[in-house]
Amino acid sequence: DGGITQSPKYLFRKEGQNVTLSCEQNLNHDAMYWYRQDPGQGLRLIYYSQIVNDFQKGDIAEGYSVSREKKESFPLTVTSAQKNPTAFYLCASSPLIGELFFGEGSRLTVL
Amino acid sequence: DQQVKQNSPSLSVQEGRISILNCDYTNSMFDYFLWYKKYPAEGPTFLISISSIKDKNEDGRFTVFLNKSAKHLSLHIVPSQPGDSAVYFCAASPSGGSNYKLTFGKGTLLTVNP
Repeated sequence: DGGITQSPKYLFRKEGQNVTLSCEQNLNHDAMYWYRQDPGQGLRLIYYSQIVNDFQKGDIAEGYSVSREKKESFPLTVTSAQKNPTAFYLCASSPLIGELFFGEGSRLTVL
Repeated sequence: DQQVKQNSPSLSVQEGRISILNCDYTNSMFDYFLWYKKYPAEGPTFLISISSIKDKNEDGRFTVFLNKSAKHLSLHIVPSQPGDSAVYFCAASPSGGSNYKLTFGKGTLLTVNP
């Protein structure tokens, strides 16, 4: 089945540690995105990529990093510089023009 | 500065009745609008969209209305079903409809009671 797979679904991290969230899609979409959702908030864009080996900062990129070495994969690293990393993270993909398809999300909790 | 506002955090309706979810926006450059639906512990899924050249778009039980002068859109679900219970996000984009320019509202939790 075509879709977007995010892993892990739940992740716990100690303060000061980096953590990487995985996102893989087999929809052959050119564009991929990372969003963050906090309770009672809308989705906010962290990073996006429209082509392999290229990515752009979204509205809240500070403390995060990404890579796009393959079309199918767009991992997000939450670094120790992110001051409030506990959140629900959503990966999405889309054609360059067209609706977003989301993964099921990864919930990160900093202990 | 919240450019897309969903002022009702929650809405409760009876099965079979109409659900009306509202969304207001402030940016006059927005010209493409979407609704996404999200179940708990899942990612949002696309529901319906409307371009600013239209004032109405229908898809089965779902209709979106756009009032450009009021900068207001609404999603009507008729008849509502218990399976419609979810969080509904309104999103808007300026010219071109590029996804990386999407601004999302905070969402409205719809509960449809049997």
